[in-house]
Amino acid sequence: GENVEQHPSTLSVQEGDSAVIKCTYSDSASNYFPWYKQELGKRPQLIIDIRSNVGEKKDQRIAVTLNKTAKHFSLHITETQPEDSAVYFCAASMTGFQKLVFGTGTRLLVSP
Amino acid sequence: DTGVSQDPRHKITKRGQNVTFRCDPISEHNRLYWYRQTLGQGPEFLTYFQNEAQLEKSRLLSDRFSAERPKGSFSTLEIQRTEQGDSAMYLCASSLADSNQPQHFGDGTRLSIL
Repeated sequence: GENVEQHPSTLSVQEGDSAVIKCTYSDSASNYFPWYKQELGKRPQLIIDIRSNVGEKKDQRIAVTLNKTAKHFSLHITETQPEDSAVYFCAASMTGFQKLVFGTGTRLLVSP
Repeated sequence: DTGVSQDPRHKITKRGQNVTFRCDPISEHNRLYWYRQTLGQGPEFLTYFQNEAQLEKSRLLSDRFSAERPKGSFSTLEIQRTEQGDSAMYLCASSLADSNQPQHFGDGTRLSIL
């Protein structure tokens, strides 16, 4: 089955810096890759997603890139703010298999 | 609030007891998913429904676990004869039925087994 690895497990940046979180997946049939932000005690919240027919998607300060050949995708957050501090999860799924397979999460800490 | 709602938010019970959780999906969503999340880990898929049909179950879902969605709206997840290892956050999500539609999560039910 699909396996998703996520790095780093923790990431500390100064406010205003950029942050990059990377994920790799194992099954080349995976074609949908969402990113979720989870604050302590709260629900995972979808922040951006990308499908395999595009290589990059951007939404304000957040962007996701996908390299299908290498089977990896990355989350980029620019101009980080303290409220970006949370745990971020990547996930993958494929058409016909509706479950999301999640990475192990990255704890992002943005210091003022 | 028209998001996914789950009840209860917290459940504390003794080992060996049965527990039942409820999930109400976003009203127009006909897919409903259950995941389990332990501390420091990402959510793990348990099962999903399209309307009232349960279409996939994970190997994680032992025979002590049962899920239902009798009218294609809300769903229940029951755990019988709870064990310490069942302690986790149980998350529900819903989505539209089209391929690769975003899944929206509820706040979860945190289960603690004494």
